Amino acid sequence: NAGVTQTPKFQVLKTGQSMTLQCAQDMNHEYMSWYRQDPGMGLRLIHYSVGAGITDQGEVPNGYNVSRSTTEDFPLRLLSAAPSQTSVYFCASSYTNYRNTEAFFGQGTRLTVV
Amino acid sequence: KNEVEQSPQNLTAQEGEFITINCSYSVGISALHWLQQHPGGGIVSLFMLSSGKKKHGRLIATINIQEKHSSLHITASHPRDSAVYICATRQSYTTDKLIFGTGTRLQVFP
Repeated sequence: NAGVTQTPKFQVLKTGQSMTLQCAQDMNHEYMSWYRQDPGMGLRLIHYSVGAGITDQGEVPNGYNVSRSTTEDFPLRLLSAAPSQTSVYFCASSYTNYRNTEAFFGQGTRLTVV
Repeated sequence: KNEVEQSPQNLTAQEGEFITINCSYSVGISALHWLQQHPGGGIVSLFMLSSGKKKHGRLIATINIQEKHSSLHITASHPRDSAVYICATRQSYTTDKLIFGTGTRLQVFP
């Protein structure tokens, strides 16, 4: 059981470049989310999805796009990278349906924008 | 708005010591998660609890709903316990969103 698979693990981008961070889970979880982790701050929610075809913005969505065409995949797109997007990104998934369930996280992507 | 605060921010200990990390939150919740993050690594779920106490090996997590407070205890600490421990809350059954504390960095020396 692979859990949550997140790629790449490391990435360096130049300002203005675009890229997609991949996230896949094999647990048939409805809820998937993307967070960024910055020094001295808790994880902050970028975008989330409660099921295929449904996405919504979190706390810090600007500069990021997401889509959820399948239950398994939830890619995060940076359309035009900026140095302020230098961070560690985590994808997470969990069951939903009004019950408390464990959250599963990917290994993280360390992104540097120069 | 729910705010989650952890203390201490940093903690050093000698191998074998008993360790306590605290988490306080400001509004009612449906569940609280304790997570572990090793340096350069991913995030792993340790506990999810909505009341009482849970134990897994040398780790114990407790929660006091009335006081809006949770503690994570590590008994007989070991250098491999060195990591960042993160508390996160889920506010209600109607949302899956988690609110995270800033983490407690633990270093255990031999």
